[in-house]
Amino acid sequence: DAGVIQSPRHEVTEMGQEVTLRCKPISGHDYLFWYRQTMMRGLELLIYFNNNVPIDDSGMPEDRFSAKMPNASFSTLKIQPSEPRDSAVYFCASSFRTSGGWGGELFFGEGSRLTVL
Amino acid sequence: AQSVSQHNHHVILSEAASLELGCNYSYGGTVNLFWYVQYPGQHLQLLLKYFSGDPLVKGIKGFEAEFIKSKFSFNLRKPSVQWSDTAEYFCAVMVTGGGNKLTFGTGTQLKVEL
Repeated sequence: DAGVIQSPRHEVTEMGQEVTLRCKPISGHDYLFWYRQTMMRGLELLIYFNNNVPIDDSGMPEDRFSAKMPNASFSTLKIQPSEPRDSAVYFCASSFRTSGGWGGELFFGEGSRLTVL
Repeated sequence: AQSVSQHNHHVILSEAASLELGCNYSYGGTVNLFWYVQYPGQHLQLLLKYFSGDPLVKGIKGFEAEFIKSKFSFNLRKPSVQWSDTAEYFCAVMVTGGGNKLTFGTGTQLKVEL
């Protein structure tokens, strides 16, 4: 049973370059979340989707960040242009709603570690 | 906006010692509370959660947490830790009616020594 799949696992790039992170959620899950983890700020929610529609993007730091979910099995997080302060681990997580509502259980991928030089 | 505080960033214990990791949140309304764990080399996973009812919640691997509303706390406990409990532990809060999103604490790195 495949979990959430993220790629790349590691990326090193230079300032100003475009970065695209990818996520494949667990089949059947209707929620998808993008989190960023840094030492200083911990895990921060960037954006989340429900049924492929962005619901809350208030955590997206600035216009350099964008996220899409063209279908139920794929999402991207893009940073253009990248800056050194974007260096972090980016996690994708998926979840599902039951008849009782959303239970709050997130299924995380292994993360994409981004280093911007 | 709500926030979650985990005051212990690093904890080192010997096997069989008792564990208590602190978690406090700042929000006066109804909340749902969670503890997640990340074992070395693995992804984050749910340890336990509280939605309503008995404020003492039991999770996997012998962990439990107690919701004390008056103290805005949801501390994680285990009577006797094992080496395999070495991991990073994250407390998280979801505000009822605030959208389906979790706010995480900064995490506590637990190291259990043999």
